[in-house]
This record gives sequence, structure tokens and C-alpha cells, in this order.
Amino acid sequence: DAGVIQSPRHEVTEMGQEVTLRCKPISGHNSLFWYRQTMMRGLELLIYFNNNVPIDDSGMPEDRFSAKMPNASFSTLKIQPSEPRDSAVYFCASSPLGGVHGYTFGSGTRLTVV
Amino acid sequence: TQLLEQSPQFLSIQEGENLTVYCNSSSVFSSLQWYRQEPGEGPVLLVTVVTGGEVKKLKRLTFQFGDARKDSSLHITAAQPGDTGLYLCAGAPGGTSYGKLTFGQGTILTVHP
Repeated sequence: DAGVIQSPRHEVTEMGQEVTLRCKPISGHNSLFWYRQTMMRGLELLIYFNNNVPIDDSGMPEDRFSAKMPNASFSTLKIQPSEPRDSAVYFCASSPLGGVHGYTFGSGTRLTVV
Repeated sequence: TQLLEQSPQFLSIQEGENLTVYCNSSSVFSSLQWYRQEPGEGPVLLVTVVTGGEVKKLKRLTFQFGDARKDSSLHITAAQPGDTGLYLCAGAPGGTSYGKLTFGQGTILTVHP
């Protein structure tokens, strides 16, 4: 298996622009998680899905952030409009069994908003 | 909110030394996981511990889950430069938050040749 695939690896955008991050989970994994990592705050859970259904989005910082999972093999995280404070590394992870026995992370998308 | 405190935050040692990283919480976790992250990559799962008092070994790494399932430790024997990286512990709370991991802040380990 190719693992969890995220795109793009790097994104530089101007403040106010829309940004879309993409994730392909491991086939057969029924849970998908979006995390954000910064030096100051570490890894923060933004939202997670079980069987394509959003279960907990309490970590989504504001209405500018939205996530979708239209099918079992694809998810997106969208920021509109983007702000400089959104600059971070965004990780997608997937897991069977709801994640209790461990996640497989993608390589992340490094987002820079200027 | 369940919090995980990791210590130390930074560790810089010479090749061949031993080290221990701690992960503590006031909350009980159904399982606890350890990950290692290298620059530019996502965290990679090293081990999951589930039973209170459980000890797991992975070559030179020894992981222990506290009896009360509130804390864990990672011990590395004879550290190698290849062990350098960010070590993260993560707890699974169980119940209705099943699978929603809480991560510690991490320990940055540097092993000098």
C-alpha cells in the first residue's frame, strides 16, 4: 500500500486566497483525521470522520475552515479566506478501528500564507 | 480536556548513552501510543500499549504503560544517531471519544556521534 497520500506537499498562498488540501487514506481504513502542527501548539486535532461521516469538528478553529469526505478514498480540508496565522503543517491520518491502535499519517502539507 | 505532559522537551546526548522520556496525565487512557517523527515527514507509529503495567520492547526501545493507565515511559538503550527525532506520546480516551487521540507536546531527541 502507498500509505496515506497528501497533496500538495507545499503550498504558498496570499492572504485572502482559498486553499484546498487533499488526502487519500489507506484503503480499508474507516477513520480519517485532520491535524495541524505548529511549534507553539504541537499537534492539534481539527476534525475526524468515521465511515465518511464527520464525528467531531470541535477542533476546527473557525468558520473559515471546512472539511469534507465525499467517499471512503478522498477527503479535503479547505480554508477560505486564508490568513497568515493559518501557516502550519497540516497532516491527514487514517486508521482502522477508530484509531485506538494507532494512526498512519501522511507526509503533510506545509502551508505558508503571506 | 485530557492533557498529556511529556518530559523532557529537549534531550541532547552522546551516542551510546541511555535515556528515558516520560508521558504523564491525570486522566485514564484506554490505550497509549508512541510515535517518532523526522523533519518533513509525518509521525510514524512505534508501539501501542493497552494494558496497565504492560511493557513492550522494540529492539533498543522499551515502552511501559503505568498500572493506572495514566502515564507511560519510553527508554532507549545505547542511543544511536539514527534515533534522532521528535518523539510523541498519544492517548486514546475510549468511550464516546473512541479514537480521538490526544498528543503530548513531544520530546526532541538529538543523538551526537
